[in-house]
Amino acid sequence: GENVEQHPSTLSVQEGDSAVIKCTYSDSASNYFPWYKQELGKRPQLIIDIRSNVGEKKDQRIAVTLNKTAKHFSLHITETQPEDSAVYFCAASFGNQFYFGTGTSLTVIP
Amino acid sequence: EAQVTQNPRYLITVTGKKLTVTCSQNMNHEYMSWYRQDPGLGLRQIYYSMNVEVTDKGDVPEGYKVSRKEKRNFPLILESPSPNQTSLYFCASAASASTYNEQFFGPGTRLTVL
Repeated sequence: GENVEQHPSTLSVQEGDSAVIKCTYSDSASNYFPWYKQELGKRPQLIIDIRSNVGEKKDQRIAVTLNKTAKHFSLHITETQPEDSAVYFCAASFGNQFYFGTGTSLTVIP
Repeated sequence: EAQVTQNPRYLITVTGKKLTVTCSQNMNHEYMSWYRQDPGLGLRQIYYSMNVEVTDKGDVPEGYKVSRKEKRNFPLILESPSPNQTSLYFCASAASASTYNEQFFGPGTRLTVL
């Protein structure tokens, strides 16, 4: 099956700086790549997603890039704020199955 | 209010005692799925369902059963729980079986098996 690796596992940034989280996947058939944010004690919530026929997608301060050839995708958060502090999960999907990365704990220092 | 609900939210049980975790959604979603979340392992898919009476195994189905007799409900059954099933469980639903749909997660069920 699919294998998704996510790095780094923890990330600390100063408020206002950018944060980048990277994921790689193994199955070239994967065609959908969502990113979820999970605040402490809460449920995961979708923040952005990208399909395999798109190279980049942006939503305000959040962007995702996809490199199908290299089989990796990244989450970019600009102008980070304390409320961005959470655990972020990437995922890869094909045929209704979802495979998640192991998560990145992001801390934004005021 | 559109939502996914799970019950119970917390459960402590003993090895071998059958239990069911219920999941219900009020959004008329076709797709429903169960995940377990363990520290350092992220979320792992247990089972999913593309519609009523259609279920399929995810990445870690061993020791679990599911059923989809009604569109809104997707219970997770542990016939003989073991300590390695101690975990945080999330149910999720999406509008259709297309993988391009946003999944909405329930609040989670924290299960401890002694």
